[in-house]
Amino acid sequence: GIQVEQSPPDLILQEGANSTLRCNFSDSVNNLQWFHQNPWGQLINLFYIPSGTKQNGRLSATTVATERYSLLYISSSQTTDSGVYFCAVVPLYNQGGKLIFGQGTELSVKP
Amino acid sequence: DARVTQTPRHKVTEMGQEVTMRCQPILGHNTVFWYRQTMMQGLELLAYFRNRAPLDDSGMPKDRFSAEMPDATLATLKIQPSEPRDSAVYFCASGLGRQETQYFGPGTRLLVL
Repeated sequence: GIQVEQSPPDLILQEGANSTLRCNFSDSVNNLQWFHQNPWGQLINLFYIPSGTKQNGRLSATTVATERYSLLYISSSQTTDSGVYFCAVVPLYNQGGKLIFGQGTELSVKP
Repeated sequence: DARVTQTPRHKVTEMGQEVTMRCQPILGHNTVFWYRQTMMQGLELLAYFRNRAPLDDSGMPKDRFSAEMPDATLATLKIQPSEPRDSAVYFCASGLGRQETQYFGPGTRLLVL
């Protein structure tokens, strides 16, 4: 089956710093989402981005489907950005929509 | 603000007891997913429905887990009998299809003693 690898596994930042999180996937996809799991465990949708670039405030994401990777950019990080960031994909061959999750990047933003 | 709702939010039970978790998908969404999150396995799909019909439950232990959608506004996940290894956070998500955004509920945190 498809492999979804996220890097780095852990990241510690000072407030105000920028960061880039990466998601590599091993097969073609027709759905890619980025989620933020906050310290209370809620999974919050950040982006639906099977291809192209999107921006939402301090966050932006780019997916290059032909090269099988996606990047999540966080600028001017804040302590509320702390948590785990997941990339999840639906492989092209999957008819149902089952999301396959990466193992996540755990981000800690220090004041 | 449309959201997926789940009940209960927390459940502590003893091994062997039945556990029922409920999910109300976003109105109009035709696809409902059940995922489980554990430290060891991460997030993984248990089952999903489209237009209330089960499409894939290959991620569920069939002997103890069952998933149903009695109507378009309710999905249930049952564990009978529960075991300590079932302790996890169970998420319900809904969407409009495989190429659409999936929205997750707050999860049910289950602890089986």
